[in-house]
Amino acid sequence: AQSVTQLDSQVPVFEEAPVELRCNYSSSVSVYLFWYVQYPNQGLQLLLKYLSGSTLVKGINGFEAEFNKSQTSFHLRKPSVHISDTAEYFCAVSDRSNYQLIWGAGTKLIIKP
Amino acid sequence: DARVTQTPRHKVTEMGQEVTMRCQPILGHNTVFWYRQTMMQGLELLAYFRNRAPLDDSGMPKDRFSAEMPDATLATLKIQPSEPRDSAVYFCASGLTGGKAGELFFGEGSRLTVL
Repeated sequence: AQSVTQLDSQVPVFEEAPVELRCNYSSSVSVYLFWYVQYPNQGLQLLLKYLSGSTLVKGINGFEAEFNKSQTSFHLRKPSVHISDTAEYFCAVSDRSNYQLIWGAGTKLIIKP
Repeated sequence: DARVTQTPRHKVTEMGQEVTMRCQPILGHNTVFWYRQTMMQGLELLAYFRNRAPLDDSGMPKDRFSAEMPDATLATLKIQPSEPRDSAVYFCASGLTGGKAGELFFGEGSRLTVL
C-alpha cells in the first residue's frame, strides 16, 4: 500500500521569495507522482506530474518538482512566489496498475506581502 | 473549454432530508471519482467508477450514501437521510485510464450544510 506525507501543514513565505513544499511517499512498487493546487473555493487542478523519464518536472505557473527515488521524495519548488500562489497544495501518488490516487494532507502556502 | 460540472454549488438542508448531488464528467472520460473534503478529515475518496462500473466505494457510509452512473454523462451521489456530520464540500472528478491515469479534472464542488 502507498502513503503520502506532506511534512508541513502551512508554509508562510514573503512575496518574491523562493519556496519548497515537501512531499515524501512510501510504496513497494513504482509509482506515478502528482502535485495538485486548490485555490480558495475552487476544485483541485493538476500542477505537474512525474510518470517516467527526467526526474525534474516542470509545471504550470513556474512550479517544478524533483523526483528523488532514493529519498522517496517529490518536493515542489518555485524560485519566486506571488500573492496569486496563495492556495493549498496536495501531493498524490498512484501505482502503475491502479488508477486511484493516494493523497497527502495538503500544505497551505501563505504569501506575506 | 471542457470542464466537470457539479450541481448544486451550495445546498442547505435539514437533518433527515434527502440530498442528491449531480456531476457531468468531461465528455470521453472513463473514470469518475467522488471525494468529500472537510477541515478535519481532508480529502476522502467516497466512490470510484471506471467505464460506469463502481469499482471502489469502501470509503462511503453504506447505510446512507449511494453513488450511481446512470449513463456516461451523469454521476449522482445521494445521501438519505442526511446528518449534520455530512456537512462538507463534495467534489466530483473525471479522468482517463492508461497514459493519462492520475490526471484528474475536478468540478468546483457542492458545498453541503446539514442543519
